[in-house]
Amino acid sequence: LAKTTQPISMDSYEGQEVNITCSHNNIATNDYITWYQQFPSQGPRFIIQGYKTKVTNEVASLFIPADRKSSTLSLPRVSLSDTAVYYCLVGSISGGYQKVTFGTGTKLQVIP
Amino acid sequence: SQTIHQWPATLVQPVGSPLSLECTVEGTSNPNLYWYRQAAGRGLQLLFYSVGIGQISSEVPQNLSASRPQDRQFILSSKKLLLSDSGFYLCAWSVGQGKETQYFGPGTRLLVL
Repeated sequence: LAKTTQPISMDSYEGQEVNITCSHNNIATNDYITWYQQFPSQGPRFIIQGYKTKVTNEVASLFIPADRKSSTLSLPRVSLSDTAVYYCLVGSISGGYQKVTFGTGTKLQVIP
Repeated sequence: SQTIHQWPATLVQPVGSPLSLECTVEGTSNPNLYWYRQAAGRGLQLLFYSVGIGQISSEVPQNLSASRPQDRQFILSSKKLLLSDSGFYLCAWSVGQGKETQYFGPGTRLLVL
C-alpha cells in the first residue's frame, strides 16, 4: 500500500484559500487519490477523488501532477466550519476491491 | 438511500470483559465492509475488512475478531478487553471495485477501564 505524508497541522484565516499537500511517492498505477474530512467524534466524510490532473466539485479542487507522487487539496474561501482533520488516502486494489490506508491527517484550524 | 448504523454509541467496559460492536448497512447489497479504530488524536487504523458473508481479512494482529453473519451486518468482538483497546471504532462500507468511496458510520466510543 502506498504510504502518504501530510503536514500535521495548518492554520488559516476565514475567507482564505487553503492548500493541503500530500506526498505519496510509492503510488501504484491503479491507485486513486481520495480526500476525506473528519470532525471530532464523527466518521470521515468523502470530499473529492482523482486519478490525475485536476478534479473540481462544489466543495474543493484536487490537483495531481503528471508523476502522481503528490496531490494538493484546495479549499476555496474557508469558513470556521471547515475546521477539521483532512485525510489523504491512496487506494490499492486487493481482492477486487479498494483497500485504503489512512494516515494521521492534517488538522486545519480556521481562525476568525 | 443508503444508511449505516453502529451501536452502541458509547461503551465503558472493564479490562478483561468481552466486547461486541455491531454495524449494519441498509439500502445496498453485497457491500465491502470495514472496521477501523482511531485512538485519541490519531489517524484511522484499518482492523478488518470483508468482501462477503463469512469472508474476513485482518489487517493487524490483536485480541479483536470480526464476523459477518449476514450480507449487511458486521460485528467486532473481543473475548477479553485490554486497556489499549480504548478508542473510537468506525464501521464503513463501499461497493464496486477500484475507485469506490467509503461511507462511514457514526462510530462507537469505547473506554476500557
